[in-house]
Amino acid sequence: EAGVAQSPRYKIIEKRQSVAFWCNPISGHATLYWYQQILGQGPKLLIQFQNNGVVDDSQLPKDRFSAERLKGVDSTLKIQPAKLEDSAVYLCASSDLWTGYTGELFFGEGSRLTVL
Amino acid sequence: AQSVTQLDSHVSVSEGTPVLLRCNYSSSYSPSLFWYVQHPNKGLQLLLKYTSAATLVKGINGFEAEFKKSETSFHLTKPSAHMSDAAEYFCVVTFLSSNTGKLIFGQGTTLQVKP
Repeated sequence: EAGVAQSPRYKIIEKRQSVAFWCNPISGHATLYWYQQILGQGPKLLIQFQNNGVVDDSQLPKDRFSAERLKGVDSTLKIQPAKLEDSAVYLCASSDLWTGYTGELFFGEGSRLTVL
Repeated sequence: AQSVTQLDSHVSVSEGTPVLLRCNYSSSYSPSLFWYVQHPNKGLQLLLKYTSAATLVKGINGFEAEFKKSETSFHLTKPSAHMSDAAEYFCVVTFLSSNTGKLIFGQGTTLQVKP
């Protein structure tokens, strides 16, 4: 079974530039999550989708971050304009309804963003 | 509010010796607790989980954790460390009543295993 796919794995940009990350969840998983992991900290949930609807985006900085999951499958997370403090690893995870309920999420390898 | 505190940011052990990674939680409700492991440049992987069944939980690769409500703890242990255990470990709490699977992560503990 294929895992959660993310791209790009690494991205370096200047501050005020824009960047987009892509995630393809495990086939059949209804729920998709984007987490931000700053160096030395645990992952923090940015946004959670169930199918193509947003369940929780309370910690998404909406002035610069946006995310979409148009067809209820893959998802894109965008940052525009980027700030230095956005340097982090962006993790995508997915779950089917049951594993989401029990807390078992399947994570991708992450996209590491460096903002200079 | 729910939170989780990992008491050690870095733990160093010798190969073959026991591992103890400490975690305390705060929750207004009966929690579900997890340990996730993150190897370098790899995705997070579920190690084990407690969801109100047996208080001693066994996970993959010989790890286990014991839920102690009186101490609000969920420490991770392994009898004998292996070099491949070197990784970042996260204690996680979640609130399941809304069926959203929202996880709250601790700060992480880096486990170093020396030969």
